[in-house]
Amino acid sequence: GAGVSQTPSNKVTEKGKYVELRCDPISGHTALYWYRQSLGQGPEFLIYFQGTGAADDSGLPNDRFFAVRPEGSVSTLKIQRTERGDSAVYLCASSSGGIRGTGELFFGEGSRLTVL
Amino acid sequence: QQQVKQSPQSLIVQKGGISIINCAYENTAFDYFPWYQQFPGKGPALLIAIRPDVSEKKEGRFTISFNKSAKQFSLHIMDSQPGDSATYFCAASTAGGFKTIFGAGTRLFVKA
Repeated sequence: GAGVSQTPSNKVTEKGKYVELRCDPISGHTALYWYRQSLGQGPEFLIYFQGTGAADDSGLPNDRFFAVRPEGSVSTLKIQRTERGDSAVYLCASSSGGIRGTGELFFGEGSRLTVL
Repeated sequence: QQQVKQSPQSLIVQKGGISIINCAYENTAFDYFPWYQQFPGKGPALLIAIRPDVSEKKEGRFTISFNKSAKQFSLHIMDSQPGDSATYFCAASTAGGFKTIFGAGTRLFVKA
C-alpha cells in the first residue's frame, strides 16, 4: 500500500516475554520514527532513524527497548522482558526527512501491545 | 519530554461554533509547529502546520495563530462540524521535523 504499514495490529503477551513490532514506511522516506501512545496521552517519542542509523534514541525508556532498520526501509522495535507498564499503542511514522523536508510525519495505525 | 503544554484536555462545541485549542512551548529552537488530528483506532494525521516567520496560517476552516514572543500557538476550527470530533495534538520540532514533540491532546466533541 501507499501508507505506513505496521504489524501486528494487536499483540497480547505475558509479562517477561519478548516482542517484536514491525514497521514498513512509505517508499522513499528516509526518516522513520517510533512513538508510544498511552491511553489518553499524546505520542511519546522513542527513537528516530535517518537511513539505517539511529539518529536519536533518547526516548527509549530503558535497555529492554531496542530498534533496528538494517536496510534503511523496514524497522523492527524489539522489547525484551516485557512489563505490564509497556502496554500501549506503538506508532511508527515516516517522513521525507532532511533539512528540506516539510516536517510532516505520516503515521501508521499502530500496534496495540497488551502485557498481561 | 513535556516541552509542549496543551489545553483544554477536552472540549464540547455546538455545531457551527468555533473550537479553540491552545498550546505553549518552551524550547526556542523549535521552528515547525504542526497540528495533528487523530480518530479512534487510527494514527495521527497532519491537519495544518506553521513556521515561526508568520503569525497566522489559514486552510479552509482551520487557522493557526502563532505568538513567537509568548511562545504560544493555537488552533481555531471555524463552523465546527460533528465530523471534526476527534483528538487534536499540537506539536513542535526543529529542522525538518526531527524528533517531533507532541502535546497531551484535546478531545473535541461537536454536538449536532
